[in-house]
Amino acid sequence: GDQVEQSPSALSLHEGTGSALRCNFTTTMRAVQWFQQNSRGSLINLFYLASGTKENGRLKSTFNSKESYSTLHIRDAQLEDSGTYFCAAANYAQGLTFGLGTRVSVFP
Amino acid sequence: EAAVTQSPRNKVTVTGGNVTLSCRQTNSHNYMYWYRQDTGHGLRLIHYSYGAGNLQIGDVPDGYKATRTTQEDFFLLLELASPSQTSLYFCASRPGQQDTQYFGPGTRLLVL
Repeated sequence: GDQVEQSPSALSLHEGTGSALRCNFTTTMRAVQWFQQNSRGSLINLFYLASGTKENGRLKSTFNSKESYSTLHIRDAQLEDSGTYFCAAANYAQGLTFGLGTRVSVFP
Repeated sequence: EAAVTQSPRNKVTVTGGNVTLSCRQTNSHNYMYWYRQDTGHGLRLIHYSYGAGNLQIGDVPDGYKATRTTQEDFFLLLELASPSQTSLYFCASRPGQQDTQYFGPGTRLLVL
């Protein structure tokens, strides 16, 4: 069954605002990786976390392995933040297990 | 950031055709992966490898073979392509088990 559940499936933001994306895991995962997929289809690495919180510019991510969830916060959204955001669970040498993504649209 | 390249970037073939997708990373990463991305399914793992000569089966391996000829090169083979294999294919690599995976730009495959 599905191991990675992402919410919401879609999100609209006005420039300058912010929001949070969530990723729930139905089984224990060792780490999480977050990506942005742009309009050309390229997957851009955002974060890799085995625990705790990481921040990069206007993005911040937290991974709570004990409660099996991760969040990605976008603040001060810009037009270039539009795209589909994926979380993926990492479990040792096996490949990543991806969620279905959150489509983010940023409007002027 | 680690670089992963894929070729071709776009491919059109017919049902029953023979297709090889290529992936190369020059970062001496041990692990390499092939995924496919389809609407409604996200990315799904096809095959992966721990190193040259090693091959592991992923979650959706049917209809695909793979071969890791060197540390750098990982190939995905579709020997009898079917329309259900029309997809966006990604290759990825990572140094070790507890590391970030780095993805290539993707190959769009259309099977007519």
